[in-house]
Amino acid sequence: DAKTTQPTSMDCAEGRAANLPCNHSTISGNEYVYWYRQIHSQGPQYIIHGLKNNETNEMASLIITEDRKSSTLILPHATLRDTAVYYCIVRVARSGGSNYKLTFGKGTLLTVNP
Amino acid sequence: SAVISQKPSRDICQRGTSLTIQCQVDSQVTMMFWYRQQPGQSLTLIATANQGSEATYESGFVIDKFPISRPNLTFSTLTVSNMSPEDSSIYLCSVILGDTQYFGPGTRLTVL
Repeated sequence: DAKTTQPTSMDCAEGRAANLPCNHSTISGNEYVYWYRQIHSQGPQYIIHGLKNNETNEMASLIITEDRKSSTLILPHATLRDTAVYYCIVRVARSGGSNYKLTFGKGTLLTVNP
Repeated sequence: SAVISQKPSRDICQRGTSLTIQCQVDSQVTMMFWYRQQPGQSLTLIATANQGSEATYESGFVIDKFPISRPNLTFSTLTVSNMSPEDSSIYLCSVILGDTQYFGPGTRLTVL
C-alpha cells in the first residue's frame, strides 16, 4: 500500500467544518483513498472512499486533487461526537494479492471543542 | 454494510492461560481479518482468514500463538494462547464486503 502522511492532531470548533488533509504522493492508478475513524475504545468506522472524483455521503465529503497525490476529508458541521482518530488509507478496491488489506498509520486525532 | 459482533467484549485473564475470541458477521464473506491494537497504538494486522483455507499470518505473528478457525462464511475465532501481559490489547475482527472493509467492536483483553 502507498504510504500516507497525516497531521498528528487537529482542533475544530463545534458547528464548523473540519478539514482533514492527507498526502499520498506515491498512490498507484488502481488504488483508492479510504477514510476511517476510531472513536475511543471502539472499532474503526468506515467513512468514505474514492478513486479520483470527489465523493459525498451522509457523513462527509472527500476531495481528491486532480493529480491524486493528496485528499481532504470534510466534516461539514463537526459535533463533539466527531472527536476521534481519523485514518487515511490507500488500497486497491478489489480483492487479489496481499495489498488488498488495510494498513493503518497513526492517523489524525481530531478534537472538536465546544 | 456488514454488522459484526464479537464475544467477549472484554476479559481479564491470568498469565499462561488462553482466550478464544469469537467473531460473527451478518453476511457471508470470503475475506476476514484479525487485528490487534496495543495501548496507544494503531491497528496491526495479525492474519487473514479465508474460509476453506489456512489462515495467512503477518510477520511477527505465528499460528501456535494465535490459532484461527474459519468454519464457515459468517464466523471465525481467534485464540490468544499462553498469554502474557504483553498480549494486553484490543483484538478486532474485520471483513470485506464489496469494496469496503468493516470492523467489529473489538475485544479488550487485559492479562495480569
